[in-house]
Amino acid sequence: EPEVTQTPSHQVTQMGQEVILRCVPISNHLYFYWYRQILGQKVEFLVSFYNNEISEKSEIFDDQFSVERPDGSNFTLKIRSTKLEDSAMYFCASSEAGFVTGELFFGEGSRLTVL
Amino acid sequence: AQKVTQAQTEISVVEKEDVTLDCVYETRDTTYYLFWYKQPPSGELVFLIRRNSFDEQNEISGRYSWNFQKSTSSFNFTITASQVVDSAVYFCALGGPNAGNNRKLIWGLGTSLAVNP
Repeated sequence: EPEVTQTPSHQVTQMGQEVILRCVPISNHLYFYWYRQILGQKVEFLVSFYNNEISEKSEIFDDQFSVERPDGSNFTLKIRSTKLEDSAMYFCASSEAGFVTGELFFGEGSRLTVL
Repeated sequence: AQKVTQAQTEISVVEKEDVTLDCVYETRDTTYYLFWYKQPPSGELVFLIRRNSFDEQNEISGRYSWNFQKSTSSFNFTITASQVVDSAVYFCALGGPNAGNNRKLIWGLGTSLAVNP
């Protein structure tokens, strides 16, 4: 069964460092998303991406964050200068045609710990 | 504004008991979508169901069933004859209409279900 894969599964970094989280969405999917979940809290939408540009972003997704689809298969989330409060599980998701006709498939998450 | 409320933070049951997880939502959209996701201890998010606002039929999938009631803005989830493997956090989520670029989901806080042997 096709799946969304994320790397790394866990990353520990120092405050102020840049972090790149990588995702390989399901190959025929067109819509890509990043969500995050701070430990013990609800899942929060960060950004959606379609046709090589951001479709929508939340207020969490400030100038420190960026997304890219550099090579047609990977979908990356970059945090330029990490803060302690960026510590969370980051989930990548993809869907075939927007969730109206297709479900969101989530990866297993990348846990980011900022020290 | 859109909002999802899962009033039950934690539920603990004994194996084989039935358990219902509540979800109440708020939206002004006439077209919307409701979801349930399971998050087991391993952390991934597992899709369980999607329901659109025009389909109020209840759904049953094995031991899982869902009761969608627009009149009370609720989309409750029942596990019949619970098993230890059902132990997880369950999230209810709401999505707006597929108009323009609005495809984000609004999530409830989740209900942590512990099924004890």
